[in-house]
Amino acid sequence: DTGVSQDPRHKITKRGQNVTFRCDPISEHNRLYWYRQTLGQGPEFLTYFQNEAQLEKSRLLSDRFSAERPKGSFSTLEIQRTEQGDSAMYLCASSLEFPGPGTEAFFGQGTRLTVV
Amino acid sequence: TQLLEQSPQFLSIQEGENLTVYCNSSSVFSSLQWYRQEPGEGPVLLVTVVTGGEVKKLKRLTFQFGDARKDSSLHITAAQPGDTGLYLCAGAGTASKLTFGTGTRLQVTL
Repeated sequence: DTGVSQDPRHKITKRGQNVTFRCDPISEHNRLYWYRQTLGQGPEFLTYFQNEAQLEKSRLLSDRFSAERPKGSFSTLEIQRTEQGDSAMYLCASSLEFPGPGTEAFFGQGTRLTVV
Repeated sequence: TQLLEQSPQFLSIQEGENLTVYCNSSSVFSSLQWYRQEPGEGPVLLVTVVTGGEVKKLKRLTFQFGDARKDSSLHITAAQPGDTGLYLCAGAGTASKLTFGTGTRLQVTL
């Protein structure tokens, strides 16, 4: 297993277009997280899944954002009608379920979105 | 809402100096993790601390978890240019969702 994989690494899109990002977690990890990070800031939580169930969504996740993890493996994050304020690094992470050292989250390299 | 404040926000030091980064919260965390992130990349896990008062060493890096599990520190001895990056602490609450600190940007110059 090579770790958490995100695709694409970079995306430039015009305002108003839809974009979709993919995340492939570490295979034995039940939990998958999406975070957003703007320049110079720490990552902000967007949503997370336990297997295929989406358990929590942040207030940051407006109606234009939707995330899925249909088979409990890979996940997609879609942003509809992109706005310039959506420009950020979108990070995916995965972890095991139970508390303690097993909740260490491992991150992918991120998808850098630029909305022009 | 669980918040983690890191200090300092920025640190520019010369090679060979020592430094300490602090991560503070009013909330208790079941575990706390430290990450380092380089520009354009995702955060890379450095260490996880779980027990109050725990101290972990990773070569020149020493991590400490506060007795009450509300705060943590990262001490770097004899900093090197390769230590340059954004250092992030992240706390895991009861739901195991990570809450990240505000980050400390470290620049180590020759």
